[in-house]
Amino acid sequence: AQTVTQSQPEMSVQEAETVTLSCTYDTSESDYYLFWYKQPPSRQMILVIRQEAYKQQNATENRFSVNFQKAAKSFSLKISDSQLGDAAMYFCAYRTYSGTYKYIFGTGTRLKVLA
Amino acid sequence: DTGVSQNPRHKITKRGQNVTFRCDPISEHNRLYWYRQTLGQGPEFLTYFQNEAQLEKSRLLSDRFSAERPKGSFSTLEIQRTEQGDSAMYLCAIGMTGKNTEAFFGQGTRLTVV
Repeated sequence: AQTVTQSQPEMSVQEAETVTLSCTYDTSESDYYLFWYKQPPSRQMILVIRQEAYKQQNATENRFSVNFQKAAKSFSLKISDSQLGDAAMYFCAYRTYSGTYKYIFGTGTRLKVLA
Repeated sequence: DTGVSQNPRHKITKRGQNVTFRCDPISEHNRLYWYRQTLGQGPEFLTYFQNEAQLEKSRLLSDRFSAERPKGSFSTLEIQRTEQGDSAMYLCAIGMTGKNTEAFFGQGTRLTVV
């Protein structure tokens, strides 16, 4: 069975600085998808960025980028130029490439942005 | 707005009562998921529908839980004989098979069993 591990329960970053959130996963599959979701307090989860395992190039979305290391089963999220609105819970998620397509989430990292 | 409406947003019920939650995708999506999220944890998979067919159920979904998706549109999640351990946020998510592989989440229904 696939598992997703986020070892940082909480992280802090100064506004305008850069922070990296860690995620590791375990799977025996070769094709899959990885995601980072953001959940602001009392708000719904929204997608930050996604990565297809078959793509070697790391995904980027404006200030958000990932470092995808397939062999190491590592998928970290880098947030550049942090903003107060980035404060939220961040969840790393794995999705199977076929079958039921269910998403498996990590336990999350709470990001605090300091003014 | 992610295209998923969940009702009610909050539900307080007495232990032993039955509750039903509803998930309405605003647009057509063939995949629909139910997740449960407790405080400080990530969402845990409960069940998954492909159109109207329920294709997978987690062992977390005891026989007190039942989910339906008639006609492959909206979905309901019912919990019978609620227990205090059922207190959680229940999230509905939708997705499409194909290139856009991410799931879109609703705001959830927060259940408190007293």
